Amino acid sequence: QQPVQSPQAVILREGEDAVINCSSSKALYSVHWYRQKHGEAPVFLMILLKGGEQKGHEKISASFNEKKQQSSLYLTASQLSYSGTYFCGTEDAGGTSYGKLTFGQGTILTVHP
Amino acid sequence: GAVVSQHPSRVICKSGTSVKIECRSLDFQATTMFWYRQFPKKSLMLMATSNEGSKATYEQGVEKDKFLINHASLTLSTLTVTSAHPEDSSFYICSAPGQWLKRSYEQYFGPGTRLTVT
Repeated sequence: QQPVQSPQAVILREGEDAVINCSSSKALYSVHWYRQKHGEAPVFLMILLKGGEQKGHEKISASFNEKKQQSSLYLTASQLSYSGTYFCGTEDAGGTSYGKLTFGQGTILTVHP
Repeated sequence: GAVVSQHPSRVICKSGTSVKIECRSLDFQATTMFWYRQFPKKSLMLMATSNEGSKATYEQGVEKDKFLINHASLTLSTLTVTSAHPEDSSFYICSAPGQWLKRSYEQYFGPGTRLTVT
């Protein structure tokens, strides 16, 4: 089952902050965040693991609430280059195929000058 | 970081023909690769998991006889869309997991292949 992202779309002015949420109905082992620009492949932003470990982008932070199966991506002091569609990808705790992700429906972020 | 390539980047074919898409990991070995399909303004939908040396694992609802996957080596997986129809037109993306800490893997995505069936 696909994780649910909110909001579906966000419009910002440069310098403003945004939060994108991702919620799953399944127990998760990890949450991945990607950004995709039109016509291009997704680009890795962040991984958050059950247990608190994470790896990611310098200017982007995220949180992972394992008990609630929820993750949030925090974009601060947004830049024009942040525009794109953000996807969360979730890896089930009971999964047997390592690296297998189920992606949310995406959040369209638009940053204006 | 690791690089995954896809070829071709764009392909137009006639209805009824078959099309092969290649996915290569350029600087690392990938025993597993994933194939996704993406419609305009939609999410990435996992089609199948490609496993080197064994059969691919298809997601529910994906026709394995229509979308043939072959993982010929540790750096190459191919997706063949057989007897293509206009409804198969889509953006196909492959990914290969790198390895970072314990079990979770950062996905390296290929640039995608835009398939148009006329």
